[in-house]
Amino acid sequence: NAGVMQNPRHLVRRRGQEARLRCSPMKGHSHVYWYRQLPEEGLKFMVYLQKENIIDESGMPKERFSAEFPKEGPSILRIQQVVRGDSAAYFCASSPGRRGTGELFFGEGSRLTVL
Amino acid sequence: GQQLNQSPQSMFIQEGEDVSMNCTSSSIFNTWLWYKQDPGEGPVLLIALYKAGELTSNGRLTAQFGITRKDSFLNISASIPSDVGIYFCAGRNAGNMLTFGGGTRLMVKP
Repeated sequence: NAGVMQNPRHLVRRRGQEARLRCSPMKGHSHVYWYRQLPEEGLKFMVYLQKENIIDESGMPKERFSAEFPKEGPSILRIQQVVRGDSAAYFCASSPGRRGTGELFFGEGSRLTVL
Repeated sequence: GQQLNQSPQSMFIQEGEDVSMNCTSSSIFNTWLWYKQDPGEGPVLLIALYKAGELTSNGRLTAQFGITRKDSFLNISASIPSDVGIYFCAGRNAGNMLTFGGGTRLMVKP
């Protein structure tokens, strides 16, 4: 399966712990996007990354949240000192890049529950 | 930031009926995309539109890119139970950013 792979699919954390969500883009895709979805709501943009570069992080909370897309390996969305309000589904999407069609292909999401 | 207004928010229709939903924006987009999300899954791309005025079909689905580049609609003909889900429009700007509408939840009576 050459689709966008996210793991874990489900993650449970206690308040104050750290959550790390991983995303491997589709083969040949160099651009990764992270979105957050609260229950019964739409997708909210968080961050847009290329390999080793953050292109746009205007949707990321200023504290506790960080994202990276290293030269080798998956993109990581990291949430430190989680709070109950961080409980949500986090979706990763990838695209070929600026010269592509602009279509984003999504993974199946990582569902974070903070107790 | 850019906002997309998607309507209706939800609809409950009879199997076999046609469905129409739309998105409007105050900003211009270069690409309009329509996605469907099933419960517990990620959004799946249904139709992509690249040019103002473009009308594209995918089976029972038809979508159009508005002439003003600020709106798009999606039609589903002869709905069936598996059409149930949440439909999202998304607009892509020149900066390669994708903005999503709030979604239309479709429920079909058998």
